[in-house]
Amino acid sequence: GENVEQHPSTLSVQEGDSAVIKCTYSDSASNYFPWYKQELGKGPQLIIDIRSNVGEKKDQRIAVTLNKTAKHFSLHITETQPEDSAVYFCAASDTGRRALTFGSGTRLQVQP
Amino acid sequence: SAVISQKPSRDICQRGTSLTIQCQVDSQVTMMFWYRQQPGQSLTLIATANQGSEATYESGFVIDKFPISRPNLTFSTLTVSNMSPEDSSIYLCSGGESYEQYFGPGTRLTVT
Repeated sequence: GENVEQHPSTLSVQEGDSAVIKCTYSDSASNYFPWYKQELGKGPQLIIDIRSNVGEKKDQRIAVTLNKTAKHFSLHITETQPEDSAVYFCAASDTGRRALTFGSGTRLQVQP
Repeated sequence: SAVISQKPSRDICQRGTSLTIQCQVDSQVTMMFWYRQQPGQSLTLIATANQGSEATYESGFVIDKFPISRPNLTFSTLTVSNMSPEDSSIYLCSGGESYEQYFGPGTRLTVT
């Protein structure tokens, strides 16, 4: 089955700096890669996703890149703000199964 | 997108009892899933809730312990049976029509 590795496990940045979180996956059949933000006591919130036919996708301060050959994808957050502080999870799935395999999570702390 | 609600939001249960968690989606969705999240950990898929047929369970999860119902395209239940302290966790349902999956707020279960 699919295995998703995520790093770093914790990341501390100054407000206004950029943050990058990286994930690798093992199953070449995976073709959908979402990123979730989870705040304390809440369910994961889908913030951005990318499909395997696209190399990069942007949404305001957030971008995701995908390298299918290397089987890795990354989340980039620019101009970080204290409200970006949360745990971020990457995940992967394939068209048929649709169930998500999650990475281990990254706790991002943005220092004001 | 889909908005997902869960009931109860939290519960404290005695060992040996059962708890049924309800998941309601505000629109019809093809796919619904149940995940478990230990505090501070990542999400692990329990099962795929199939409308009109038996759920598909992941390795390590069995129907007798986690029976699931999916009577229609907007509702599902997960029962945690014969609970032990090891079942203390956050249980999350998710749903989506296409690739995207949206999560409920979770049910925090404590077994004493």
